[in-house]
Amino acid sequence: SQQGEEDPQALSIQEGENATMNCSYKTSINNLQWYRQNSGRGLVHLILIRSNEREKHSGRLRVTLDTSKKSSSLLITASRAADTASYFCATFYSGGSNYKLTFGKGTLLTVNP
Amino acid sequence: NAGVTQTPKFQVLKTGQSMTLQCAQDMNHEYMSWYRQDPGMGLRLIHYSVGAGITDQGEVPNGYNVSRSTTEDFPLRLLSAAPSQTSVYFCASSYLPFGNTIYFGEGSWLTVV
Repeated sequence: SQQGEEDPQALSIQEGENATMNCSYKTSINNLQWYRQNSGRGLVHLILIRSNEREKHSGRLRVTLDTSKKSSSLLITASRAADTASYFCATFYSGGSNYKLTFGKGTLLTVNP
Repeated sequence: NAGVTQTPKFQVLKTGQSMTLQCAQDMNHEYMSWYRQDPGMGLRLIHYSVGAGITDQGEVPNGYNVSRSTTEDFPLRLLSAAPSQTSVYFCASSYLPFGNTIYFGEGSWLTVV
């Protein structure tokens, strides 16, 4: 079964507002990654946070990770219409020769001009 | 660099037909993988490879075969297509270990009638 679960499934905000998406997962991870997917396109890597990190920033993106709660959040500040996309969290686990990156079902973000 | 290239972009198959989705990357990545994306299901891992000659199953491997004879190529074979395999397929690649960006192809839309 899929590892990550995003919440909410859909989010609609006005341009300039902040958008927060959450991801929960079930088992131990090495790192957690966030991706964006524009309609009809492939996924684009946004940010990676390792299991020993608690917060990371990249431009208007802020990601937090709480391994005790097995959850992560992605904050997009001062959103723009161009941020409209689906956002996915993905958890990575490696053990022995086993490498798996598994995705959640995504949050559809709509930013209205 | 072309990145991750998938072909074909669109394909319609009849039930029972076989076909191969091609994936090539020019970044000398060790890790390559195939995902399928269905509405409301996010991305599910089909098969992955951590290097030439090494493949392993993901979450939904049934009905699909893969091989990794070279570092660059990771084809996905549908042996006997079924309507349940109608989906969008994404190939992805990365350096190992997973502290690096994962690159996705633009997707292959497959319809099985």
